[in-house]
Formats: sequence, structure tokens, C-alpha cells
Amino acid sequence: DTAVSQTPKYLVTQMGNDKSIKCEQNLGHDTMYWYKQDSKKFLKIMFSYNNKELIINETVPNRFSPKSPDKAHLNLHINSLELGDSAVYFCASSQYRAPTNEKLFFGSGTQLSVL
Amino acid sequence: GENVEQHPSTLSVQEGDSAVIKCTYSDSASNYFPWYKQELGKGPQLIIDIRSNVGEKKDQRIAVTLNKTAKHFSLHITETQPEDSAVYFCAATVGPNNDMRFGAGTRLTVKP
Repeated sequence: DTAVSQTPKYLVTQMGNDKSIKCEQNLGHDTMYWYKQDSKKFLKIMFSYNNKELIINETVPNRFSPKSPDKAHLNLHINSLELGDSAVYFCASSQYRAPTNEKLFFGSGTQLSVL
Repeated sequence: GENVEQHPSTLSVQEGDSAVIKCTYSDSASNYFPWYKQELGKGPQLIIDIRSNVGEKKDQRIAVTLNKTAKHFSLHITETQPEDSAVYFCAATVGPNNDMRFGAGTRLTVKP
């Protein structure tokens, strides 16, 4: 069983479109995250949700909106996609919330290509 | 800002040799330092971590050392094998919320 699963694995779309990436974790963890990895492999946190409550928003454009229907799911919706949004997006989870951080479990990533 | 610097960006070693990757951090309150391995097409996976009250930790062929005074920590891989080839990331908790800040990554290539 996959601990953190995200779909789709690949997403190719045109500029201006709206798209969503889904994430689910079956670990019973309290906190879920979205990270963006650019072409140089740099990993940067975008959002963190703890028990359906947003606790981090790292100056991400408001075109990106995380939605958490329950603590096992954290979806990422992106409006009006731009070329610069092309990257690999990783979902992750951790057992506890800050400051008692535990290790992060990452999904396998969604490669987004905006044409 | 509260940065994590990682060096080198690429590292190539011969199978059987050792590999060392170094990271420095700026937040003196950082207390948790994990290392992640990312294989091609996959998400990062934790391989070892160390907390601020420990100076060294070892798990088979991998070890991590921490120097809190100098604010740097290192990953050591001994007897490298081709399957160790991957991108390795260091990280440190920073700020009042212990946010996880990642280094820029090191692409390790182990030549058979």
C-alpha cells in the first residue's frame, strides 16, 4: 500500500487553464504539505495543513489554493496556469505538527508542464 | 534569511570509495537535521536524521555528524555502491514553527 499517493503523475496543459492535483495519505498523520521542486531540484514548501487548518503559506500566489476535505487528503488547485508554474509538485505528510516535527513522507510527485 | 547551504552540487565517486556531503545552517535554534535521498522519478525519502543533542549517528554505511558550534552537519556514505546514485538533500528546522528548510541538493554518481 502506498503511504502518500498523488495523482496525476504527469500533467500537461495550456497556459490559462485551471488544474488540480490530488493527494491522499493512509498513515494517519496529522499534517500534510505541498512542496514545489523546480528544474534545479530546489525543494520549497508551499503549504502545510494540520487537521484541515492551514498553518503555512510561503508567499505562494493566490492562484494556488490548497483544499483539505479531511486530514487524509490535501488537494492543490491552480487557476490561470502560467509557464513558470512548470515544476514537480510533491505532497508530503508528517505524524505531528510543528514544533514536534517528525520525518516527512513524500509522494512520488506530479510533473506539471505548462505549454 | 534562515538558509541551508549544501555542497557540493555534484559529486562523482568510484564504487567502494566514500562520499561526503556538507551543509551549513544559519538559525542557531535549529534542532533537527534530516537527510533525504531522491531517486529518479521518485519523491525524497528520509535516510537518516540527527537531533541537536547528538553529535554523530550511524546506520550501516551512512553516518551523519553535527557541529552545533560551527552550525554545520555532514552526510558520510562509505563503501559506495551504484545504487547510492541519487540526489541527496539536507534539511534543517528553522524559525519559531520549526519549518523544514531544504538545501539545494547534491547529485551523487557512483561509477561501477
